Amino acid sequence: DSGVTQTPKHLITATGQRVTLRCSPRSGDLSVYWYQQSLDQGLQFLIQYYNGEERAKGNILERFSAQQFPDLHSELNLSSLELGDSALYFCASSVIRAYTEAFFGQGTRLTVV
Amino acid sequence: DQQVKQNSPSLSVQEGRISILNCDYTNSMFDYFLWYKKYPAEGPTFLISISSIKDKNEDGRFTVFLNKSAKHLSLHIVPSQPGDSAVYFCAASARSNFGNEKLTFGTGTRLTIIP
Repeated sequence: DSGVTQTPKHLITATGQRVTLRCSPRSGDLSVYWYQQSLDQGLQFLIQYYNGEERAKGNILERFSAQQFPDLHSELNLSSLELGDSALYFCASSVIRAYTEAFFGQGTRLTVV
Repeated sequence: DQQVKQNSPSLSVQEGRISILNCDYTNSMFDYFLWYKKYPAEGPTFLISISSIKDKNEDGRFTVFLNKSAKHLSLHIVPSQPGDSAVYFCAASARSNFGNEKLTFGTGTRLTIIP
C-alpha cells in the first residue's frame, strides 16, 4: 500500500459527459502529480500541484482541469469526454518539491463509451 | 518528443539468470533517475533510483548503472525470479531545475521470467 488513495477505481461514462477523479496523497506529502496511461503507452504527465498551487503542466487538454484543496487532496476534472480519453489515470504524491521518488495510487480506469 | 526511451517493449529471461533493462534519455537537464515496477491493475511502485553524481546504485538484487556521457542507464536484476515479471518503467527528473520536478517516463519494458 503506497498510502495514496484514488477514487473511484473504475468509471464508465458516455461521450460528452464530465467526471471527477479524486486523489488523497500520503500523509505529509505536499506535491500531487497526475498522469495518464493510455493503452500500451507510457505514463504521460498531466499536471502537478504543490501545497495548493499549480507547479507544472504537461500535455493536459483544455477540457481537463485539476485543483488541490487546503487539505491537500486533489481532483482531476475531465469534461466533454471523448472515446480517446479512455485510459488509466494515476495520481502520485511526494514529500517536497525536489523529491526523491513519488508514490503512486492504484489508478482510476476511465472508460468512455 | 520522447525524452526518455525504452527501446525494448518486452524481454524474456530464464529464472535465475540476469535481467538487463535499458533506458536512454535525451535531456541533459535530467539529474535523477528512477525505475518503477508495475503489475497489472496496480499503480507503479518505486524500485531504485540514482543521482547523476553516481554511476552505480545497488539494492539487493537490483543494481542501476548510469552512463552520463552516453545518456544511458540500465537496471540489472540478479538473480531473476518469477515475481519480477512486470512492466518496468524508467523515469527521470530535473531536480535542480526549480519548478520542473515532474517525472518523465519511458514507455516501459515488459519483463517475463520463465520458470
